[in-house]
Amino acid sequence: RKEVEQDPGPFNVPEGATVAFNCTYSNSASQSFFWYRQDCRKEPKLLMSVYSSGNEDGRFTAQLNRASQYISLLIRDSKLSDSATYLCVVNKGVNNAGNMLTFGGGTRLMVKP
Amino acid sequence: NAGVTQTPKFRVLKTGQSMTLLCAQDMNHEYMYWYRQDPGMGLRLIHYSVGEGTTAKGEVPDGYNVSRLKKQNFLLGLESAAPSQTSVYFCASRGLAGEGFFGPGTRLTVL
Repeated sequence: RKEVEQDPGPFNVPEGATVAFNCTYSNSASQSFFWYRQDCRKEPKLLMSVYSSGNEDGRFTAQLNRASQYISLLIRDSKLSDSATYLCVVNKGVNNAGNMLTFGGGTRLMVKP
Repeated sequence: NAGVTQTPKFRVLKTGQSMTLLCAQDMNHEYMYWYRQDPGMGLRLIHYSVGEGTTAKGEVPDGYNVSRLKKQNFLLGLESAAPSQTSVYFCASRGLAGEGFFGPGTRLTVL
């Protein structure tokens, strides 16, 4: 079983739609959680951190459920420019040397006119 | 503030050749990482460093070596390149909140 699992998609949605991505992680000691965005042939870029209380950044909302080891990302009012691959990323606890970031395989989103 | 930079951006090698990929960061981060990304495989950690003068193996270290002689630089070496090392290589450094900052990547093809 992979440490961080995501549905690879692709999710094909029309402009203006609301879309949700889910992610599960296996290491209960994980301490930090992030969503990254990666455009084709580009490096991953931090979209937002994910906090236990849930957090929102404009059209993007992230949720964390530690009990279920589950992370979600909700995108409202999808734009064509949201088309990308979204990576769920988990940072293992401070007792893990190097605080390595563990990546999910990514979920591809395609927003169509 | 350039963030994380990588050189070269592209490289084609023949099997058995050697090369070094250079990563530099100007954010004074302690932790640095080398990942490779292959289609359908996601990002996999090759080696990492928790500070100047220290390195450690990641998930897929075989065939690679690294050095961290200066805090701002993290070098990835391929001593004898193999076709299986054809990939996109990303360097990253870790911020205070645990988030990673990535370089633009190096596209390596080994023939």
